[in-house]
Amino acid sequence: QKEVEQDPGPLSVPEGAIVSLNCTYSNSAFQYFMWYRQYSRKGPELLMYTYSSGNKEDGRFTAQVDKSSKYISLFIRDSQPSDSATYLCAMGSNNNDMRFGAGTRLTVKP
Amino acid sequence: EAGVTQSPTHLIKTRGQQATLRCSPISGHTSVYWYQQALGLGLQFLLWYDEGEERNRGNFPPRFSGRQFPNYSSELNVNALELEDSALYLCASSLVSGSRADTQYFGPGTRLTVL
Repeated sequence: QKEVEQDPGPLSVPEGAIVSLNCTYSNSAFQYFMWYRQYSRKGPELLMYTYSSGNKEDGRFTAQVDKSSKYISLFIRDSQPSDSATYLCAMGSNNNDMRFGAGTRLTVKP
Repeated sequence: EAGVTQSPTHLIKTRGQQATLRCSPISGHTSVYWYQQALGLGLQFLLWYDEGEERNRGNFPPRFSGRQFPNYSSELNVNALELEDSALYLCASSLVSGSRADTQYFGPGTRLTVL
């Protein structure tokens, strides 16, 4: 079993839709959780970062963490074509050890 | 403030050759991480350097090696290149504070193609 599982998609939605991206993990040592966005042929850029269980909102993006279920989500409201990218979940423990999901490829169609 | 920079942007090698990839972290960041992103496989952790020392290593053979220089820049060397080494190699840097790792900031990557 992989430490981090992420559905690779691809996921295609119409503009304005609510997008839900998810990851599950198996290592209870993970303490912090991140979502990265990666455009084609570019490096990942940080979208959201959270330490605790619960929700964290930033504009159209909401990150949700459920440590008891080892499940994290990223919601994108009012999705735009510019949101089309690969979204990577990532998580780390206090020893600076990070693991990434394989990424979900999202296309938002105008 | 400049972000993480990597060079070269693209690198084409043949099987059996050696490749050297370079990374300059964000100013003030002391940790540098290397990842391999092969098509369809996601980011695979390669190496972590901090203060010039190798701190952690992913599940890769010894022909993947690197070093960190006194100015915190880093080099990744891949010896005896194989076709499956073709991938985007990403460098990231972070500011390590105490026992907690801050987020990693990524460079644009070096695309290595092995023919």
